[in-house]
Amino acid sequence: NAGVTQTPKFQVLKTGQSMTLQCAQDMNHEYMSWYRQDPGMGLRLIHYSVGAGITDQGEVPNGYNVSRSTTEDFPLRLLSAAPSQTSVYFCASRDQSNTDTQYFGPGTRLTVL
Amino acid sequence: RKEVEQDPGPFNVPEGATVAFNCTYSNSASQSFFWYRQDCRKEPKLLMSVYSSGNEDGRFTAQLNRASQYISLLIRDSKLSDSATYLCVVNRGSTLGRLYFGRGTQLTVWP
Repeated sequence: NAGVTQTPKFQVLKTGQSMTLQCAQDMNHEYMSWYRQDPGMGLRLIHYSVGAGITDQGEVPNGYNVSRSTTEDFPLRLLSAAPSQTSVYFCASRDQSNTDTQYFGPGTRLTVL
Repeated sequence: RKEVEQDPGPFNVPEGATVAFNCTYSNSASQSFFWYRQDCRKEPKLLMSVYSSGNEDGRFTAQLNRASQYISLLIRDSKLSDSATYLCVVNRGSTLGRLYFGRGTQLTVWP
């Protein structure tokens, strides 16, 4: 049981480049989310999904796309990277049973030059 | 007003000390509450849920005051390993409700 996995761990992009951050979970959770964490800002929700084929915007969705074709995978796509997207990105999978625990992946540290 | 507000600290305490963190939430309809712990450069992990009657897990005690809309976390007999950032988290609604994270309170325990 690997939990939530994210790749890559680190990435450097140039302004204007695109890339996809990968996220997968093996806990069969329907609810998955992407957050970004910046110093002094806390965790901010980018996009979330309540099941395969269903996604919705969070607090800071601009510049990001998501898709959810399977329960396991929830990739986050940066369309045209900007320096303002330099951040740590966490994917999370949520156990909606009575514990309502959110499990986070180890994060991707992204720098946009 | 932010959904969840926390004193960012930092709190610097000696080993063995008792330290308390508070957190306030803005939406009175909020239904479930949690404390997460985040070590430096790591992902957040659930520390404990917060129940209406208050709950304890070893050296950690969580309290909820719905009337005043605040949540507290008390750590007794602090250990060096307690050094981390503690995040207050609130679920506004049902199991599909969004989770709102506070910015975190930084704790450093020194020997």
